[in-house]
Amino acid sequence: AQKITQTQPGMFVQEKEAVTLDCTYDTSDQSYGLFWYKQPSSGEMIFLIYQGSYDEQNATEGRYSLNFQKARKSANLVISASQLGDSAMYFCAMREGMDSSYKLIFGSGTRLLVRP
Amino acid sequence: AAGVIQSPRHLIKEKRETATLKCYPIPRHDTVYWYQQGPGQDPQFLISFYEKMQSDKGSIPDRFSAQQFSDYHSELNMSSLELGDSALYFCASSLGPNTGELFFGEGSRLTVL
Repeated sequence: AQKITQTQPGMFVQEKEAVTLDCTYDTSDQSYGLFWYKQPSSGEMIFLIYQGSYDEQNATEGRYSLNFQKARKSANLVISASQLGDSAMYFCAMREGMDSSYKLIFGSGTRLLVRP
Repeated sequence: AAGVIQSPRHLIKEKRETATLKCYPIPRHDTVYWYQQGPGQDPQFLISFYEKMQSDKGSIPDRFSAQQFSDYHSELNMSSLELGDSALYFCASSLGPNTGELFFGEGSRLTVL
């Protein structure tokens, strides 16, 4: 079974609008971490935001926020005020067990294209 | 700020050849991870090292080996290369295996002809 599921292979958004990228996860661990990474066409993997399973507040980093719904096992990324430079591949990832190393499990990614 | 440095950035090899990728973690980071991302695929964890010892192992082929040196840099050695080894290889580092963020390098793109 997929541990991380990203159901949107590709998405369009108009510049300056907000967009939500979906991510659901599957784990039996009580302690885990959820990450979002951005991968532009140049290939590097850029860390965006992190949510720990025990964090009660949704994580926010500038224009990025993570809509964490623990009961539904979802960790959607919300990008506000989209910019052309946001066009990239976005990966959701999970780290199971906070005592383990950063053996991240990635989803299949969502390609976001921002239209001018 | 210094980031994770990977070299070479691009590498072209032929089948059955060997290749070595190098990773220099962020200063003071003692934990290094290797990931492989095939074309159109998500990154897959290969192996990790903490304080020069292997800390975790993923889907790393037996033809591959890796180590972490006393200065914390790491090398991924790949032998008997196959066409399917063509991928983007990421190194990432963290301060300890359990704390802090995971920072990725820009990747080394290996093409096997």
